[in-house]
Amino acid sequence: AQSVTQLGSHVSVSEGALVLLRCNYSSSVPPYLFWYVQYPNQGLQLLLKYTSAATLVKGINGFEAEFKKSETSFHLTKPSAHMSDAAEYFCAVSPSYNNNDMRFGAGTRLTVKP
Amino acid sequence: GAVVSQHPSWVICKSGTSVKIECRSLDFQATTMFWYRQFPKQSLMLMATSNEGSKATYEQGVEKDKFLINHASLTLSTLTVTSAHPEDSSFYICSARGGSSGRVYEQYFGPGTRLTVT
Repeated sequence: AQSVTQLGSHVSVSEGALVLLRCNYSSSVPPYLFWYVQYPNQGLQLLLKYTSAATLVKGINGFEAEFKKSETSFHLTKPSAHMSDAAEYFCAVSPSYNNNDMRFGAGTRLTVKP
Repeated sequence: GAVVSQHPSWVICKSGTSVKIECRSLDFQATTMFWYRQFPKQSLMLMATSNEGSKATYEQGVEKDKFLINHASLTLSTLTVTSAHPEDSSFYICSARGGSSGRVYEQYFGPGTRLTVT
């Protein structure tokens, strides 16, 4: 079975500061990992995904994440936060490339202060 | 890109009535659709998976007689909440995925439907 744990339900950063959202996974098979962003009253938008091709994954809007097997982590980072980054972020894990049986973390709400 | 729509985006219904939510893949054929439920400030919980032309597979704890899912075509799945009660109020999100031979072989999410039962 797969699961993800997102550390910190709420993260607040200043505009221009580094964004770090933490995600640790548990998986009995090599995992496929995803980060999604959700704006209020909207569905999920894929930021990036890890499919074993490269451990450092670059996504949209300047976000990237690094897969660290030794730490079972897949933390999301962005060098400089924008006000528009304020949203809910979900980490997800799947045992397969086609996202079957995808399991989501509890989410982290990112607030960006001016 | 692959676009998934949901209708309605927001619905209010009275307790005891039924409400239908539609999920459509607009530019690809969705052989599989997923229905999720999201409570305020919480994560998405998978309710059921449906393959076109087959009965949906429900997750443990989800009442299949209450949440009726129909996936009659490759572009449309519907979720009907029967005899709705206030505790069914939630944000329902669908996602769609194409077949392995198609170009869309990962989940794409709809914008969600907010259901409020009074």
